Amino acid sequence: QVQLVQSGAEVKKPGSSVKVSCKASGGTFSSYTISWVRQAPGQGLEWMGRIIPILGIANYAQKFQGRVTITADKSTSTAYMELSSLRSEDTAVYYCASCSSGSCYFWGQGTLVTVSS
Amino acid sequence: DIVMTQSPDSLAVSLGERATINCKSSQSVLYSSNNKNYLAWYQQKPGQPPKLLIYWASTRESGVPDRFSGSGSGTDFTLTISSLQAEDVAVYYCQQYYSTPESFGPGTKVDIK
Repeated sequence: QVQLVQSGAEVKKPGSSVKVSCKASGGTFSSYTISWVRQAPGQGLEWMGRIIPILGIANYAQKFQGRVTITADKSTSTAYMELSSLRSEDTAVYYCASCSSGSCYFWGQGTLVTVSS
Repeated sequence: DIVMTQSPDSLAVSLGERATINCKSSQSVLYSSNNKNYLAWYQQKPGQPPKLLIYWASTRESGVPDRFSGSGSGTDFTLTISSLQAEDVAVYYCQQYYSTPESFGPGTKVDIK
């Protein structure tokens, strides 16, 4: 059973960056992918990208290309999602999830990122 | 990019009755080499992360009650709750993982009538 624990809520100014962490325990960190999904208030789920920790290779949704960086530290079983040039529309709950063959079996508790001047 | 649509946007069903949610992809998510549909269903309750219910379009995740079932192939899929329980009140999302970006449908809200 994989458990994912995310970092705490953040309040950021427009134009700044945020880095959210996702620490995994249980299971083998490198044996699955980590996806990042966000959910704006009252809205649906939006896939941002994923990383294969064993390879260190990340894929991103075109919408976030150039603004998002997903990394993984195998030594600490922690994945990170950094989003730059923040705007108010980036206010959302950000989730990490551990996925195998595309299906995401375990999810973090979510991190609320609020972008406000 | 594959666009996912769902219908209806919301539905209200009496306790013990059947709930049916439809999901359509803009292109096939059936991978011919292994004959698998790269389609999952998630349940999300307020204030909680999504929970995986169904993967490969019809395989129930361990621990998910058997009143939940998934069907369909290619571009058209259905999630059925055979006998709605109070704890099934939630928003349900389909997601394709055939290609990146791994897009979600807009969600269907299920309530008790």
